[in-house]
Amino acid sequence: KQEVTQIPAALSVPEGENLVLNCSFTDSAIYNLQWFRQDPGKGLTSLLLIQSSQREQTSGRLNASLDKSSGRSTLYIAASQPGDSATYLCAVYNQGGKLIFGQGTELSVKP
Amino acid sequence: DTEVTQTPKHLVMGMTNKKSLKCEQHMGHRAMYWYKQKAKKPPELMFVYSYEKLSINESVPSRFSPECPNSSLLNLHLHALQPEDSALYLCASSRKENTEAFFGQGTRLTVV
Repeated sequence: KQEVTQIPAALSVPEGENLVLNCSFTDSAIYNLQWFRQDPGKGLTSLLLIQSSQREQTSGRLNASLDKSSGRSTLYIAASQPGDSATYLCAVYNQGGKLIFGQGTELSVKP
Repeated sequence: DTEVTQTPKHLVMGMTNKKSLKCEQHMGHRAMYWYKQKAKKPPELMFVYSYEKLSINESVPSRFSPECPNSSLLNLHLHALQPEDSALYLCASSRKENTEAFFGQGTRLTVV
């Protein structure tokens, strides 16, 4: 059974810092991996999708990497801003269309 | 347009009520999903529809009844719910299974 783990569970940093969020998964037979952002009480916003054949994807200040063989992905956020404060969720696509989520990392960026 | 629209945004219902949640997308996606999310927890998959056919039911109680009338619309019919069913219900869609998923803003359901 696929399990997705995110470390740390919570993170507080001062504005301007670069930071890394970690995601690991137990079954390397994934189709894709997707990072989401969720603001309190809101839906999920897609940040980056990495296909299983890719190693990384970039969008603005965000960079996500994928190492299928070791079952790991990282989300790098450059020059963090208070507006980046949210919960970040990592999810992997398993066979049959199932999207399996990690528990999330709650990020707080202090001005 | 990458929008998935869910209505209503908030819903309060009694345990004997019947209500429905609605989800709509106009991106031409052929896979649609219902997720349930409790506070401080990740979303949990409930149902997957692929090409308007139910492909996954994650052992969801029968008081939740999904319906996919056409490729753009997904409903979740609710009947005789329990207070523990109170949660944020999220709809998502993707071009097909295992491709990038787009989520709606959710319906905050409270069962009293």
